[in-house]
Amino acid sequence: RKEVEQDPGPFNVPEGATVAFNCTYSNSASQSFFWYRQDCRKEPKLLMSVYSSGNEDGRFTAQLNRASQYISLLIRDSKLSDSATYLCVVRKAQGGSEKLVFGKGTKLTVNP
Amino acid sequence: NAGVTQTPKFQVLKTGQSMTLQCAQDMNHNSMYWYRQDPGMGLRLIYYSASEGTTDKGEVPNGYNVSRLNKREFSLRLESAAPSQTSVYFCASSSRTGLATNEKLFFGSGTQLSVL
Repeated sequence: RKEVEQDPGPFNVPEGATVAFNCTYSNSASQSFFWYRQDCRKEPKLLMSVYSSGNEDGRFTAQLNRASQYISLLIRDSKLSDSATYLCVVRKAQGGSEKLVFGKGTKLTVNP
Repeated sequence: NAGVTQTPKFQVLKTGQSMTLQCAQDMNHNSMYWYRQDPGMGLRLIYYSASEGTTDKGEVPNGYNVSRLNKREFSLRLESAAPSQTSVYFCASSSRTGLATNEKLFFGSGTQLSVL
């Protein structure tokens, strides 16, 4: 099983739709979780951290399920500007240091 | 506020040539990183530096060397470029040095490298 797995998509949705992405991770020692957004040919940028209790930032909601080892991102009322690739990122301690593991990303296209 | 600055943005090399990718950050961050991104592979860590004067190997260090010249600068060197090193390279920085949650990575705009 890969350390971080995401559905690569692509997801094609109309404006105004609700779309959800899931991400699974294999190491139960993982400590912190994030969603990054990457526009085509651009650098990744932090979208939001994922807290154990779940958290919301405007139209975006992130959830963490430690028991099942998955993270989700829900986007409500999709906008054209939400079109991007969404990267799931997991941080874990490993042998005295720690490691950030990136998923391969889920591509979203929001259509007019 | 420049953030993380990478140069060059594009580079074409012939097999066996050498080059250095430069990275500088103006946020007084302790940790700096070099990643490569290949289609269908996600971002993979090449090397990182948790603080000035220290460097450590990441997931895919072979064929690369790094220098943490000072707190601001972290360079990546390809001594003898190979076609397998064709990729997009990203430098990143963060303020954390130890275990902490919710630390944000700031990325440079990337270098598109092609090795022929």
